[in-house]
Amino acid sequence: QVQLVQSGAEVKQPGASVKVSCKTSGYTFPSYGISWVRQAPGQGLEWMGWISAYNGKTNYAREVQGRLSLATEPSTSTAYMELRSLISDDTAIYYCARDSPYNGLDVWGQGTTVTVSS
Amino acid sequence: EIVMTQSPATLSMSPGERATLSCRASQSVSSTLAWYQQKPGQAPRLLIYDASTRATGIPARFSGSGSGTEFTLTISSLQSEDFAVYYCQQYNNWPQTFGQGTKVEIK
Repeated sequence: QVQLVQSGAEVKQPGASVKVSCKTSGYTFPSYGISWVRQAPGQGLEWMGWISAYNGKTNYAREVQGRLSLATEPSTSTAYMELRSLISDDTAIYYCARDSPYNGLDVWGQGTTVTVSS
Repeated sequence: EIVMTQSPATLSMSPGERATLSCRASQSVSSTLAWYQQKPGQAPRLLIYDASTRATGIPARFSGSGSGTEFTLTISSLQSEDFAVYYCQQYNNWPQTFGQGTKVEIK
């Protein structure tokens, strides 16, 4: 079955960077994109960005443009999200999700908690 | 950026009742709209895509309708497991955007 398994929780200081991995299985990796969505404590869902697993093309939300980098490693069917210059407002659960162009975000990872605190 | 507005913020319902959730887009998104359900401590789950197509394994009591700027998610008869937060999302334009969510709570 299709699975997206994310890396474990992170605690970072303000100004640092965090890198979260999303290992996929059960489908043809290049056939779908990966979107990253975050959820601050007690808040709603915020779409952050998307990467094509076919050609590496990306789209980013304005709020994180310049601080966010998305990448894929086709040999291991893994996607990566790196967020730099962390601030306290970046404290959230970060999700990766398989992104089909016409079917929405149909499979989600379990989420990775990132805490930014001094 | 397309702004998605959901109403109401909270819906207090009893099991067995019919629930109607609304989602409005600030400009047309055609039918490229999805609905997600999220329970506490869990990742969101896709319910509906393309405004009205149920995702795999989603019960028939969930239905979606609408196009353009006005969309509705209907739960025909609420079950205990349906009390959760529901989000709409447009994927017609970059950036993709979510509504702020509607919480369906037990009355």
